Amino acid sequence: ELQLVESGGGVVRPGGSLRLSCEASGFNLEDIGMTWVRQAPGKGLEWVSSLNWNGESTVYAASVKGRFTISRDNAKNSVYLQMNSLRVEDTALYYCTRGDCSPTICYMDFWGQGTLVTVSS
Amino acid sequence: QSVLTQPPSVSGAPGQRVTISCTGDSSNIGAGNDVHWYQQLPGRAPTLLIYGNTNRPSGVPDRFSGSKSGTSASLAITGLQAEDEAVYYCQSYDISLRGSVFGGGTQLTVL
Repeated sequence: ELQLVESGGGVVRPGGSLRLSCEASGFNLEDIGMTWVRQAPGKGLEWVSSLNWNGESTVYAASVKGRFTISRDNAKNSVYLQMNSLRVEDTALYYCTRGDCSPTICYMDFWGQGTLVTVSS
Repeated sequence: QSVLTQPPSVSGAPGQRVTISCTGDSSNIGAGNDVHWYQQLPGRAPTLLIYGNTNRPSGVPDRFSGSKSGTSASLAITGLQAEDEAVYYCQSYDISLRGSVFGGGTQLTVL
């Protein structure tokens, strides 16, 4: 059974940091690009970041570039999102998804249940 | 404001057909990039509904279909069922932004 399980969410003050993790099971992560998508409370979906199968190509939304870093550990079948300098507007449910985002292919065919990040003073 | 424009809501009676539009521009849909659709049931994570403009993943009923023309795309749902009540999102790649863009989402209400 395919599974993506996110963890690491929580409440943090503005300017703080969090590291989200996403562990995959039911498929081998090492040949697949992965993407983080977020959804603010009551709002729509927003693409955050993607990395390709070997982690050598990473892309970020303008709203998080320079503050967030996506990475992967294929040996652990896991993907991560390091979030620094967090802002109130980063408050959202963060979904880990299977799928790359490049000019040639960009869609997410499987989604985790999400982990909630709340940035508040 | 989303890069891709969708109507906020659509509705239809059981058994009817509804369509949801998704309008982009020359940087995304109009650039030839594929459009994908997701369904988000209440309180659930999104799931892929249509990929590559017209393709259905395994398990998606053929009541759901996608199309694309120029700078726009559409999702059609025939034989509406109560279980189709959800928010639907379109998504594509944007060459100017160098990343993915989503529509704002369309709430489908089954009357």
